[in-house]
Amino acid sequence: NAGVTQTPKFRVLKTGQSMTLLCAQDMNHEYMYWYRQDPGMGLRLIHYSVGEGTTAKGEVPDGYNVSRLKKQNFLLGLESAAPSQTSVYFCASSYSRTSGGAYTGELFFGEGSRLTVL
Amino acid sequence: LAKTTQPISMDSYEGQEVNITCSHNNIATNDYITWYQQFPSQGPRFIIQGYKTKVTNEVASLFIPADRKSSTLSLPRVSLSDTAVYYCLVGDPTDSWGKFQFGAGTQVVVTP
Repeated sequence: NAGVTQTPKFRVLKTGQSMTLLCAQDMNHEYMYWYRQDPGMGLRLIHYSVGEGTTAKGEVPDGYNVSRLKKQNFLLGLESAAPSQTSVYFCASSYSRTSGGAYTGELFFGEGSRLTVL
Repeated sequence: LAKTTQPISMDSYEGQEVNITCSHNNIATNDYITWYQQFPSQGPRFIIQGYKTKVTNEVASLFIPADRKSSTLSLPRVSLSDTAVYYCLVGDPTDSWGKFQFGAGTQVVVTP
């Protein structure tokens, strides 16, 4: 059982290049999230998805696009990379709300993808 | 939006108890409080979760007062390996889709 897998783990880009980060989960989770973490900072939510075909913006969505064509995969795209997007990117997934409405909130994280934009 | 406030850092010696308090004034009625631990170069990992009163597992205890506007994570007898950043997380009460936002976290440093 792999859990949450991120690909690639490291990448160096030049300003203006594009790339896609792939997140795959094998836990049949409904919710998936993309966060970025800058040195010495907490995690900031970029985009999230509550199900196949549905995405929404988080705190810092500018410069990123996402897609959730399959339930198990959540893709994060950078169309024109900028040095300000140098960061470590974490994907997470979770169960949806219980039938009773209470949300347990446990997120399962990947190991991170370190992106450097020169 | 639900916001959490934690101390930026805490220092401790091995064998001591560490208590980290998180404030979350806008917590929703049905939301749980969850704490995560993050080591350098790793993703956060779940350590404990609770709704009210006290929860204890093999790693930590979580104390939640009746008004649920704060919570305290207690790490008993810490060791050097407990040096990490600890995040308090609650559900966003204005977003029924379960969007979660992390705060800045608390850097705990344990020294011999």
